[in-house]
Amino acid sequence: AQSVTQLGSHVSVSEGALVLLRCNYSSSVPPYLFWYVQYPNQGLQLLLKYTSAATLVKGINGFEAEFKKSETSFHLTKPSAHMSDAAEYFCAVNRRALTFGSGTRLQVQP
Amino acid sequence: DVKVTQSSRYLVKRTGEKVFLECVQDMDHENMFWYRQDPGLGLRLIYFSYDVKMKEKGDIPEGYSVSREKKERFSLILESASTNQTSMYLCASSFPEYGYTFGSGTRLTVV
Repeated sequence: AQSVTQLGSHVSVSEGALVLLRCNYSSSVPPYLFWYVQYPNQGLQLLLKYTSAATLVKGINGFEAEFKKSETSFHLTKPSAHMSDAAEYFCAVNRRALTFGSGTRLQVQP
Repeated sequence: DVKVTQSSRYLVKRTGEKVFLECVQDMDHENMFWYRQDPGLGLRLIYFSYDVKMKEKGDIPEGYSVSREKKERFSLILESASTNQTSMYLCASSFPEYGYTFGSGTRLTVV
């Protein structure tokens, strides 16, 4: 069965620093992979999705993710963190419906 | 933009009550989903539907049922609410192979 694992329930970075949020998937076939963001008291918003067209996927708000089949990973990165990036981030894989990881809360320190 | 509307932002219900959570989408999406979100557990799939009057159990369907009489509306029903059903409930809709659009959520407290 397809699933995703997010390493690190909390990540704290300084403003301007690199953001790296980790996601590993388990799947016997190339999956469709997604990253979602949830701001406080809001629903989830799609950041980006991988659908096998290109291994480096660019999303909104300067985020991108790279699909690495050899590592079964789909880590989310952003070169320079902004205070407004503070939120919870979810990796997801498309099974019969989206299956989500447990989430990573990103804190951005001034 | 697709809009997914959940009828209530906050609900407080008593143990044993029958609870209805309503979700409406305005873009003619075929697929609709109900998740619950709990700290440290992410989102867990309760039920989903690929068409009117069609439903499939998700990963945690116990204690819940659903209704989809019209394409745009997908209701989640707690037959007899219990305190362990206190949670954030999120509805979503999608076309196949596209990302999901989520509602803002309903925070349900069962006392």
